[in-house]
Amino acid sequence: DSGVTQTPKHLITATGQRVTLRCSPRSGDLSVYWYQQSLDQGLQFLIQYYNGEERAKGNILERFSAQQFPDLHSELNLSSLELGDSALYFCASSVEGYDYGYTFGSGTRLTVV
Amino acid sequence: TQLLEQSPQFLSIQEGENLTVYCNSSSVFSSLQWYRQEPGEGPVLLVTVVTGGEVKKLKRLTFQFGDARKDSSLHITAAQPGDTGLYLCAGYRYDSNYQLIWGAGTKLIIKP
Repeated sequence: DSGVTQTPKHLITATGQRVTLRCSPRSGDLSVYWYQQSLDQGLQFLIQYYNGEERAKGNILERFSAQQFPDLHSELNLSSLELGDSALYFCASSVEGYDYGYTFGSGTRLTVV
Repeated sequence: TQLLEQSPQFLSIQEGENLTVYCNSSSVFSSLQWYRQEPGEGPVLLVTVVTGGEVKKLKRLTFQFGDARKDSSLHITAAQPGDTGLYLCAGYRYDSNYQLIWGAGTKLIIKP
């Protein structure tokens, strides 16, 4: 158990639908990052939150949005889903600092049919 | 263009062989990290190197940070099937606002 909890682990939904992925960061970590990983691909950075505020945006589609709540958990909302959105979605958390790594959750596998 | 270039992209070798994976950039990094990811799981941090020329060992894995802090390597001695996975390097640049920059990964398969 990495300390980062992601739910659900698997999600199957139809095109055009909307889903919400949830992440609870490791205790003490203020930063939360969301990544998308398609089959046999590297990690694509979507968005970062730090202590409730959006810190950085990557290649996040306008159909996707996220937020971090006062208790530091985060949600990633994916809407108007397309077949190409099928992927693993990872949440990671960290303490800020150049010596610190990211702790990843086990991911949510999203399948759009 | 990837800021961190990993090579090779894919490597399949027999158990017991040695291998080296490279992570290169034209930029200077304040630190570099290596992660291993198994299928269907999130990446797991293996090591962080912060000083130019630094060498760290983790059992059969040896990590090196280049003197100029622009590159790193991961050497595995006597590879085992349990080493199979996707190896990702990632680094912090001073201008990256504490956000890791990722390489595309090296997919490693160790055949028994």
